[in-house]
Amino acid sequence: KAGVTQTPRYLIKTRGQQVTLSCSPISGHRSVSWYQQTPGQGLQFLFEYFSETQRNKGNFPGRFSGRQFSNSRSEMNVSTLELGDSALYLCASRSSSGANVLTFGAGSRLTVL
Amino acid sequence: AQTVTQSQPEMSVQEAETVTLSCTYDTSESNYYLFWYKQPPSRQMILVIRQEAYKQQNATENRFSVNFQKAAKSFSLKISDSQLGDTAMYFCAFMKHLLNAGNNRKLIWGLGTSLAVNP
Repeated sequence: KAGVTQTPRYLIKTRGQQVTLSCSPISGHRSVSWYQQTPGQGLQFLFEYFSETQRNKGNFPGRFSGRQFSNSRSEMNVSTLELGDSALYLCASRSSSGANVLTFGAGSRLTVL
Repeated sequence: AQTVTQSQPEMSVQEAETVTLSCTYDTSESNYYLFWYKQPPSRQMILVIRQEAYKQQNATENRFSVNFQKAAKSFSLKISDSQLGDTAMYFCAFMKHLLNAGNNRKLIWGLGTSLAVNP
């Protein structure tokens, strides 16, 4: 079955703009999590959605937001972009039936100029 | 709060040899999960191996095995018969057990070890 799909793979924005990233989980997975990966901070948890509800949120400013749709697809939005938002954004989905294993997409590489 | 430490930023190994990557963690939980993920240059984060803390037996997956020392809070990864395709960043990660986590089921990550397998 298809894996986790993230779009777009690459994008370039300028400071002050906003960006929306999309994630389609593995079919049947209802949990979607987002992580930010940067060389300096490593991997940091952004938020997790389950059945359209945000279940947990990391320590990021309110400029970072997300949502999940009824088909479990998720989007994350970053408004008023800053240079420090340049990062690889990873999405992961998880099955509800035990295992507790996250399967990741290939990521969206955001560059803010 | 939980923390994960990988003390080896970079390592290299010759093809067909064995290499061990170190990971230590800090938690007050008694039950949890530990993971090793690899991230090759393609950026895809791939699960290598998973360990449940209440299981004393070390997990193995083909050429990959772990040495889980719960009391020492150590979780090292051994790669046997290293292959060129094993070249990647390797991340150690921690997650609270489902029963203790509530809604807090996030992965806590180490900073990674860059492994180069040389021909």
